Amino acid sequence: DAKTTQPTSMDCAEGRAANLPCNHSTISGNEYVYWYRQIHSQGPQYIIHGLKNNETNEMASLIITEDRKSSTLILPHATLRDTAVYYCIVRFTYNFNKFYFGSGTKLNVKP
Amino acid sequence: EAEVAQSPRYKITEKSQAVAFWCDPISGHATLYWYRQILGQGPELLVQFQDESVVDDSQLPKDRFSAERLKGVDSTLKIQPAELGDSAMYLCASSPRIRDRGQGGYTFGSGTRLTVV
Repeated sequence: DAKTTQPTSMDCAEGRAANLPCNHSTISGNEYVYWYRQIHSQGPQYIIHGLKNNETNEMASLIITEDRKSSTLILPHATLRDTAVYYCIVRFTYNFNKFYFGSGTKLNVKP
Repeated sequence: EAEVAQSPRYKITEKSQAVAFWCDPISGHATLYWYRQILGQGPELLVQFQDESVVDDSQLPKDRFSAERLKGVDSTLKIQPAELGDSAMYLCASSPRIRDRGQGGYTFGSGTRLTVV
C-alpha cells in the first residue's frame, strides 16, 4: 500500500471549514483513498473514501487531485466535537481489506 | 447502529501475568481484525481472520501473543506473559466478507486499554 504524508497537527476555528491535506504521491491506479478519525479514547471511525472523483457524504467532502497524488478532507463547518486525529490511508482494494495507519493529523477545533 | 463490542474496557495487570481481551464483531461480518495502538501512534495491525481462519498474523508476536476465533464469530486475543511494553490500546474491527463489502471501510470497537505494571 502507498505511503501517505500528513501534517502532524492543525488548528481550526469553530464554525469554519477544516481542510486536512494528505500526500500520496506513490498511489497506484487501483488504490482508494480512505479517511478515518479517532476521537480521544475511542476506536477509529470511518469518514469517507474515494478513487478518482470527489466525494461527499453527511460528514465530509473528499477532494482528490486529478493526478491522484494528493487529497484534501473538508469538514465544512467544524465543531468542537470534530477535535480528533484524522488518518489518511490508501489501500489496494483486494489486499484482504487491510488498513495501515500512519500517525495522522491532530485537528484542534478552537472556540 | 450495529457496533463491535469489546471487553474489558480497561485492564491493569502485572508483568508476567496472562491477560485476555474479547471481541464480538457486527453480526454477519466475516472478517475480524485485531490492532494494537501505542499512545501517540496510529493503530498497528496484529492479526486478521476470515471466518475462523487466520489470513494474516505476520505482525503478531507469536512468542507471547495468541488469537483465536473458534466459531468464526467472536474472538479472543491473549498475551502470556505480559511485558511492560505491551501497555497499549487493543482495538478490534470487523467488516463484511470481501466480496460483499463493496468499497466501504470497516467498523472499530472502542478498544481495551491495557496497562502493565
